Amino acid sequence: DSGVTQTPKHLITATGQRVTLRCSPRSGDLSVYWYQQSLDQGLQFLIQYYNGEERAKGNILERFSAQQFPDLHSELNLSSLELGDSALYFCASSVHSGTSGGNEQFFGPGTRLTVL
Amino acid sequence: EDKVVQSPLSLVVHEGDTVTLNCSYEVTNFRSLLWYKQEKKAPTFLFMLTSSGIEKKSGRLSSILDKKELFSILNITATQTGDSAVYLCAVGGNKLVFGAGTILRVKS
Repeated sequence: DSGVTQTPKHLITATGQRVTLRCSPRSGDLSVYWYQQSLDQGLQFLIQYYNGEERAKGNILERFSAQQFPDLHSELNLSSLELGDSALYFCASSVHSGTSGGNEQFFGPGTRLTVL
Repeated sequence: EDKVVQSPLSLVVHEGDTVTLNCSYEVTNFRSLLWYKQEKKAPTFLFMLTSSGIEKKSGRLSSILDKKELFSILNITATQTGDSAVYLCAVGGNKLVFGAGTILRVKS
């Protein structure tokens, strides 16, 4: 158990809908990262927040957005869902921002999203 | 664009064998290389290698980083069935770029 928690574990929804995934980082960690894992794309970085502010962006679609709250938990919002958005969504956390050196990231158990 | 290539894609060994997993990378600004083990769900952190820490060991697992040749290896000695998993290599600082992984199956 990494100490990172994610809810819900599973989510089944229909195309065109909007969902919110939630993540609580390990105690003391200031950075939260979101990753998407699909069979054809592997594990892909989406976005990072550090102490409430967006720090880095990856291959995140415009239909997706995220935020980090004052208590450091984070939410990933996915809207206008398409079949291709079906994937495992992981949250990870770390103590530091990682922008200047090595930075161990610890992953949560993930949310499996199925879009029908 | 940063790139990570892992080999082999998969391998099957018998308990007690030693395995070597490979990871090569091309990055514009190297910060660290990380190894993760992924069983059913979440990747579990194994090692982080940086310019100041090019060799790591924990029990039967060990890893080295060759910054000149841009690769890393993960060694597992005396393999056990519990080592069966996907092993992921990633490079970066905050934005980790992952390889496709090596699927390891250890037969009893």
